[in-house]
Amino acid sequence: AQSVTQPDIHITVSEGASLELRCNYSYGATPYLFWYVQSPGQGLQLLLKYFSGDTLVQGIKGFEAEFKRSQSSFNLRKPSVHWSDAAEYFCAVGPFGAGNMLTFGGGTRLMVKP
Amino acid sequence: GAVVSQHPSWVICKSGTSVKIECRSLDFQATTMFWYRQFPKQSLMLMATSNEGSKATYEQGVEKDKFLINHASLTLSTLTVTSAHPEDSSFYICSATSGNDNEQFFGPGTRLTVL
Repeated sequence: AQSVTQPDIHITVSEGASLELRCNYSYGATPYLFWYVQSPGQGLQLLLKYFSGDTLVQGIKGFEAEFKRSQSSFNLRKPSVHWSDAAEYFCAVGPFGAGNMLTFGGGTRLMVKP
Repeated sequence: GAVVSQHPSWVICKSGTSVKIECRSLDFQATTMFWYRQFPKQSLMLMATSNEGSKATYEQGVEKDKFLINHASLTLSTLTVTSAHPEDSSFYICSATSGNDNEQFFGPGTRLTVL
């Protein structure tokens, strides 16, 4: 069975500091990996996704993620956090193919100190 | 990008009544739609997968007679919470796939409060 673990429930960083959100997955085949962001009371917005190719993926809002097969990880990074980045972040994994379900991690709540 | 809408964005109802939530793909045809439930400060839990023109596939533990899903067209799926009770209060989110890959486009969510 596939699973996603986000070890950090809460993270607080200072504005301007760098950020790394961890994501570890368990999946039997080649995974299709996603990072989503959710602001309070809102739906999910896709930050980036990875299936194949360059293991360093660039996304929107200055985020990037690196796929490391040997570590079963897909960590999300941003070099300089802005106060508007405060939100809930979800990592998800699924098979590649139309209509296949995603499995979400528990989420990491990011707080940004001024 | 692909846009998914939900209506209503929030609803308050009395216990015992039924509530219908609509999920629409505005600029693409959605062969598959998903319904999720999210409790406060928790992750999304998949409730069911809905394919156009066929019966929904429910996840284990989700009562299909309580959460009725209809996917009558390629742009509309509905979730009806029947005989709602306070424990059904939650944030319900739908998503849709266009068929090219399994990237899901999410709706803004519907907050249901049952009094």
